[in-house]
Amino acid sequence: QQQVRQSSQSLTVWEGETAILNCSYENSAFDYFPWYQQFPGEGPALLIAIRSVSDKKEDGRFTIFFNKREKNLSLHIKDSQPGDSATYFCAASGAGTGSNRLTFGKGTKFSLIP
Amino acid sequence: DMKVTQMPRYLIKRMGENVLLECGQDMSHETMYWYRQDPGLGLQLIYISYDVDSNSEGDIPKGYRVSRKKREHFSLILDSAKTNQTSVYFCASTTGVNYAEQFFGPGTRLTVL
Repeated sequence: QQQVRQSSQSLTVWEGETAILNCSYENSAFDYFPWYQQFPGEGPALLIAIRSVSDKKEDGRFTIFFNKREKNLSLHIKDSQPGDSATYFCAASGAGTGSNRLTFGKGTKFSLIP
Repeated sequence: DMKVTQMPRYLIKRMGENVLLECGQDMSHETMYWYRQDPGLGLQLIYISYDVDSNSEGDIPKGYRVSRKKREHFSLILDSAKTNQTSVYFCASTTGVNYAEQFFGPGTRLTVL
């Protein structure tokens, strides 16, 4: 049973477009949702995160939209640039879901058409 | 500068050999993790360590063991490595404040022939 699901294994958009990466989850106890960005040959790094009490979190060109009722969220990358090409992991955590653990999705590999 | 280091970065071993992967962090983080990453499978949790000599199995602990004798060091050991343990292994650490914010090392690419 996959508790955090990313709908696309890969996504390609034109440079300058807004990319939308989707994620859904099953466990209602999840209350914190970080997105990690991973470049080839490197470890993942925290990009942006949202708590379930909010429906939107913005940080520069990156925005998370969160829908608690539907148990889904999305990462929007505005004005996509070549440096955004990476794999993006949606993750989830929450009290009572497993001490000090993050549950990761399988990742979406994002790339640009130059 | 907050940093997680991993050694070695690349390793080739034969089936049945023992493997030692090492991880260090300079942030005095209590909690550390070992994950493996395989194409299309994301990050799978092998072990968690809450502090020195306080370790807990993750989701896929079979075939692995860990050692943490100092807060800043966390080792992953494969006794008699198997070919299906070929993978990229990541170590991560976190403070006790927000364990969802994890700091990852650069990874070790292990090939078992």
